Amino acid sequence: DAGVTQSPTHLIKTRGQQVTLRCSPKSGHDTVSWYQQALGQGPQFIFQYYEEEERQRGNFPDRFSGHQFPNYSSELNVNALLLGDSALYLCASSLVQGYGYTFGSGTRLTVV
Amino acid sequence: GESVGLHLPTLSVQEGDNSIINCAYSNSASDYFIWYKQESGKGPQFIIDIRSNMDKRQGQRVTVLLNKTVKHLSLQIAATQPGDSAVYFCAEKLGGSQGNLIFGKGTKLSVKP
Repeated sequence: DAGVTQSPTHLIKTRGQQVTLRCSPKSGHDTVSWYQQALGQGPQFIFQYYEEEERQRGNFPDRFSGHQFPNYSSELNVNALLLGDSALYLCASSLVQGYGYTFGSGTRLTVV
Repeated sequence: GESVGLHLPTLSVQEGDNSIINCAYSNSASDYFIWYKQESGKGPQFIIDIRSNMDKRQGQRVTVLLNKTVKHLSLQIAATQPGDSAVYFCAEKLGGSQGNLIFGKGTKLSVKP
């Protein structure tokens, strides 16, 4: 069963650098959402993509941007990295008219 | 601020006992609620969900109760096992099928053998 796949699993970047995280949704899903999970906290919604467009956005600065490709996979880009961007970044896929979300295992980003 | 929170940040139970994890939500417009289990180094794993037109739903060893009057959600785990040890999050969804999930901070469940 092809669930949600995220890459890379771990990443270390320096302040000021840029990073790209990738997500392949569960087979059959058409919507991708990204969440940021700081240590000891619940996931926080970043944005959601459907039909290659950003449909919803949480309270995150413009340094966070994304993209969805025709095959429904998605990328999360973060520019000008700050130490506070260190977190687990989770991708969740779903159907646009559905209620169920499937999460990937996340990418652990460390900014030094 | 977050509209979903948990009453107890940590819960320790004996193997075989029942566990109850509580959650308060603040948005009466939320129409869908989910409980997730998250093990170390993994993403949230779906446990059980409930829609706002229900007050109880049962799964295998788990039951979710929804009290809309006091905006309270609970997860009951029967015969808790060591494999149940994890952090549990409740999440609410706004805006029907288009809403994003809002998570609470989580409760860590520790099962003593």
